[in-house]
Amino acid sequence: DAGVIQSPRHEVTEMGQEVTLRCKPISGHDYLFWYRQTMMRGLELLIYFNNNVPIDDSGMPEDRFSAKMPNASFSTLKIQPSEPRDSAVYFCASSPPAAGINTEAFFGQGTRLTVV
Amino acid sequence: AQSVTQLDSQVPVFEEAPVELRCNYSSSVSVYLFWYVQYPNQGLQLLLKYLSGSTLVESINGFEAEFNKSQTSFHLRKPSVHISDTAEYFCALAPNYGGSQGNLIFGKGTKLSVKP
Repeated sequence: DAGVIQSPRHEVTEMGQEVTLRCKPISGHDYLFWYRQTMMRGLELLIYFNNNVPIDDSGMPEDRFSAKMPNASFSTLKIQPSEPRDSAVYFCASSPPAAGINTEAFFGQGTRLTVV
Repeated sequence: AQSVTQLDSQVPVFEEAPVELRCNYSSSVSVYLFWYVQYPNQGLQLLLKYLSGSTLVESINGFEAEFNKSQTSFHLRKPSVHISDTAEYFCALAPNYGGSQGNLIFGKGTKLSVKP
């Protein structure tokens, strides 16, 4: 498997614009996570899904942020409207079903978002 | 509430010297513990993990960590570092509730810089 695939790798956008980040999890994994990494706050969990259903979105900072998982192989994180403080690296991760002992997360390469 | 504290934000060390990266955690429930490594402009890679059993866990590239429940610590050590070990290291925990190990709380990270 190619691992968790995120696109784009880099995104520069103007304040007020809509931004959509994309993620393809590893095949067979039924958990998907969105994390944000900033200098100030480090790595934070934004939201995670199990079997395409959002389980915990308590980390989503504001209503400007939304995430969807329409099927097992695709998820999006959308910011509308974007603000300069949203500039960060956004990571997607996936993990296998919880039935096994080895259910650690595998991370994508991240999307570096810059909002100017 | 759960938290992870990495006491050192930066650790400079000379090649072939030993190194210890410190990690302490706080949790009211049983946890799994992890060390992830992030090379520049890359995603996070799992280095090693403690799930249960032996409190000393090892990675394939010579790192080891010891789970100490009484001191709530999970320090990472390597007896002799290489230039290629230069990276940022993140300690993380996941609650041991039978779900995915991808629901992680991270420390702020320690930048290991290995000098020739």
